[in-house]
Amino acid sequence: EIVMTQSPETLSLAPGERATLSCRASQSVSTDLAWYQQIPGQAPRLLMYGASTRASGVPARFSGSGSGTEFTLTISSLQSEDFAIYFCQQYSDWPLYTFGQGTKLEI
Amino acid sequence: QVQLAQSGAEVKKPGASVKVSCKASGYTFTSYGLFWVRQAPGQGLETLGWMSIYNGNTNFAQKFQGRLTMTRDTSTSTAYMELRSLRSADTAVYYCARPHSGDSGPFNIWGQGTRVTVSA
Repeated sequence: EIVMTQSPETLSLAPGERATLSCRASQSVSTDLAWYQQIPGQAPRLLMYGASTRASGVPARFSGSGSGTEFTLTISSLQSEDFAIYFCQQYSDWPLYTFGQGTKLEI
Repeated sequence: QVQLAQSGAEVKKPGASVKVSCKASGYTFTSYGLFWVRQAPGQGLETLGWMSIYNGNTNFAQKFQGRLTMTRDTSTSTAYMELRSLRSADTAVYYCARPHSGDSGPFNIWGQGTRVTVSA
């Protein structure tokens, strides 16, 4: 099983600031890496796939980078609606895709 | 629009079984596989397994082998996940999720989730 590790566990920032979230895979997943946003009480929402491709409707302030084992999700200027929990997911090891434990982005 | 609509919350006793449904709409049901994912309270996301809607083939995570079944009814565009021999650790929100393309890739469509509570 590919283990995904996210850091930090919690990130405290103010609206307008830049957020940088990290995700590390225990072995290479190439660019088979997705990011999801989850608001408590809701299902996750796909933000990014292929490590750096924004999903439909995702604002341009979200960007992703990385390959192999190290990945980053950046939110350039935080809006109030961005404060949520973010998960990374590898989809290289089909079908047993694994998720990171999440980063809580709080005001 | 493309949607997955899940059945309502369930409360079960330890040792019982639960069957959750996931009804698809807005796309050709047999053109995509379906995954099931769960999230324990305050925890992360865990993939239970995958089912081919086209032919019913399944592939489960090792830890669920023997007590997990996935089925589908193509006439009603509905998929089902049944988990048996429930224990308290199975308390979670269960999601069905459709991959971005075919049978693989990230999940761009999610059901709203079904809360399953296992308690004596």
